[in-house]
Amino acid sequence: DSGVTQTPKHLITATGQRVTLRCSPRSGDLSVYWYQQSLDQGLQFLIQYYNGEERAKGNILERFSAQQFPDLHSELNLSSLELGDSALYFCASSVGGGLDTEAFFGQGTRLTVV
Amino acid sequence: GQQLNQSPQSMFIQEGEDVSMNCTSSSIFNTWLWYKQDPGEGPVLLIALYKAGELTSNGRLTAQFGITRKDSFLNISASIPSDVGIYFCAGPDPLDSNYQLIWGAGTKLIIKP
Repeated sequence: DSGVTQTPKHLITATGQRVTLRCSPRSGDLSVYWYQQSLDQGLQFLIQYYNGEERAKGNILERFSAQQFPDLHSELNLSSLELGDSALYFCASSVGGGLDTEAFFGQGTRLTVV
Repeated sequence: GQQLNQSPQSMFIQEGEDVSMNCTSSSIFNTWLWYKQDPGEGPVLLIALYKAGELTSNGRLTAQFGITRKDSFLNISASIPSDVGIYFCAGPDPLDSNYQLIWGAGTKLIIKP
């Protein structure tokens, strides 16, 4: 158990809909990262938050947004969903946003858009 | 942007064989991380390397931080069925002020029955 909790574990929704994925980081970790992993692909970095503020942005679509709350949990919002958005979405956390980037991953949310 | 190149892309091996994989970059890295991902699970950190030339073991796994600081190697000795999965290398981008983690595309390990 990495200490990072993601909910829900599975999500099936229709095209055009909006969903929210939730992540609770490990206790004491200030950084939260979101990644997308399509079938048999590597990890695509989406966005990072550090202590409530956006720290870095990767290949995140404009239809996607995220935030980190004062209690440090984070949510990833995906809207106007398309079939191609079907993927595993991982959240990871680390203590800081700098060199101590040993990130610990949650088990992921498997999103299926039908 | 920075890229990490992992090879091989996939490996088919017999149980009991030793496994070697590597990760290379075009620029110097200060930290190398090796993760393993089981099917349907999140990546799990196996080994972290912080110093050029460093050799670190975790059970049957051994990883090395290349002396040029542009590569790293992961070896698995006497492979067993539970070693199956995808192995990723990663490292904080030294050219990024946020030290964003960069990931290799992974090496998929498959053990022949």
